[in-house]
Amino acid sequence: DSGVTQTPKHLITATGQRVTLRCSPRSGDLSVYWYQQSLDQGLQFLIQYYNGEERAKGNILERFSAQQFPDLHSELNLSSLELGDSALYFCASSVDPRGNTIYFGEGSWLTVV
Amino acid sequence: DQQVKQNSPSLSVQEGRISILNCDYTNSMFDYFLWYKKYPAEGPTFLISISSIKDKNEDGRFTVFLNKSAKHLSLHIVPSQPGDSAVYFCAASVLGNTPLVFGKGTRLSVIA
Repeated sequence: DSGVTQTPKHLITATGQRVTLRCSPRSGDLSVYWYQQSLDQGLQFLIQYYNGEERAKGNILERFSAQQFPDLHSELNLSSLELGDSALYFCASSVDPRGNTIYFGEGSWLTVV
Repeated sequence: DQQVKQNSPSLSVQEGRISILNCDYTNSMFDYFLWYKKYPAEGPTFLISISSIKDKNEDGRFTVFLNKSAKHLSLHIVPSQPGDSAVYFCAASVLGNTPLVFGKGTRLSVIA
């Protein structure tokens, strides 16, 4: 158990809908990362927050947004969902923003039908 | 453009033998490298890391080798055990500066 908690574990939704994925980092970690793993793809970095502020942005679509709240939990919002958004979404956390080693949650499986 | 490449999607090894997983990178600025292991229905877990000032780092049965001139690293598992069967991801970063960039993973199967 990494200490990173993600909910929901599984989610099935229709195209055009909006979903929110939630992440609670390890106790004491200030930095949160979101990664996407699609079929045959590696872990694609989406976005990083540190202590409530956006720190780095990767290949995140404009339809996707995220935030980190004062209690350090984070939410990833996915809107106008398309079939291609079906993937495993991982949250990870680290103590500092440099993120030399990050610790992953178990992921949220999103299926768009 | 994939900056971290794991060209072997899968590898099968007999129990007790050595497993060698390979990873190539294209960004010469990368100076910190990690291996993560992932079991089904779980998140990736950190296995071992190496910084560019070293060419080898060892932790029990796991050793990572770094060849900076070839932009290549490898993970050696000796001896391999059935419990090592998992997907292994190679990752790299510019130390302290960029989020980790991951390869697509190599599925290792250790056969008893």
